[in-house]
Amino acid sequence: TQLLEQSPQFLSIQEGENLTVYCNSSSVFSSLQWYRQEPGEGPVLLVTVVTGGEVKKLKRLTFQFGDARKDSSLHITAAQPGDTGLYLCAGARPNDYKLSFGAGTTVTVRA
Amino acid sequence: ETGVTQTPRHLVMGMTNKKSLKCEQHLGHNAMYWYKQSAKKPLELMFVYNFKEQTENNSVPSRFSPECPNSSHLFLHLHTLQPEDSALYLCASSVRWGVSSYEQYFGPGTRLTVT
Repeated sequence: TQLLEQSPQFLSIQEGENLTVYCNSSSVFSSLQWYRQEPGEGPVLLVTVVTGGEVKKLKRLTFQFGDARKDSSLHITAAQPGDTGLYLCAGARPNDYKLSFGAGTTVTVRA
Repeated sequence: ETGVTQTPRHLVMGMTNKKSLKCEQHLGHNAMYWYKQSAKKPLELMFVYNFKEQTENNSVPSRFSPECPNSSHLFLHLHTLQPEDSALYLCASSVRWGVSSYEQYFGPGTRLTVT
């Protein structure tokens, strides 16, 4: 059983549409990160959220940390082909410095 | 360019070969990590080094042997691997092991195929 469950596993949308990716757990996290990984490359850190209920915006990307710090979502507005990639959430539990990763959501934005 | 480089980018080796993966970070960080990424599975933490000292070994088989000569370089020595070891091996770094270990910077990975 994975500590962090991501859904959906795959998502294919048309350019200009919106999308949301979810990251859920039954455990509490002291912080949660979102990474994007493009084919042939390593993951690149997008954002870190640490406070329950926190919302962060990065251009067309909106990240939310659940009030109970057990879940998070990533929303992309007006998706572009450049948003294509594998989106990974990762979290650190209290008093644990190791990151646990979800299996990822593969997002494809068609032109 | 994340400031973390890995060589080689691709490696094909037989089960009896010995090879090494290299990672170098140019970020002035003090913690370095090895991860294994297999298809449709979460990243698996293998080893952590903080200020050249190994702080984590996540029950990794002894056919994987890490080496960290200084805070900027990390190696993964491979010998007598199995086909199921085929995967993308990612190196990462962070400021140090601790609360700042949550924000990690990854290299592009080495795609390893064991035949």
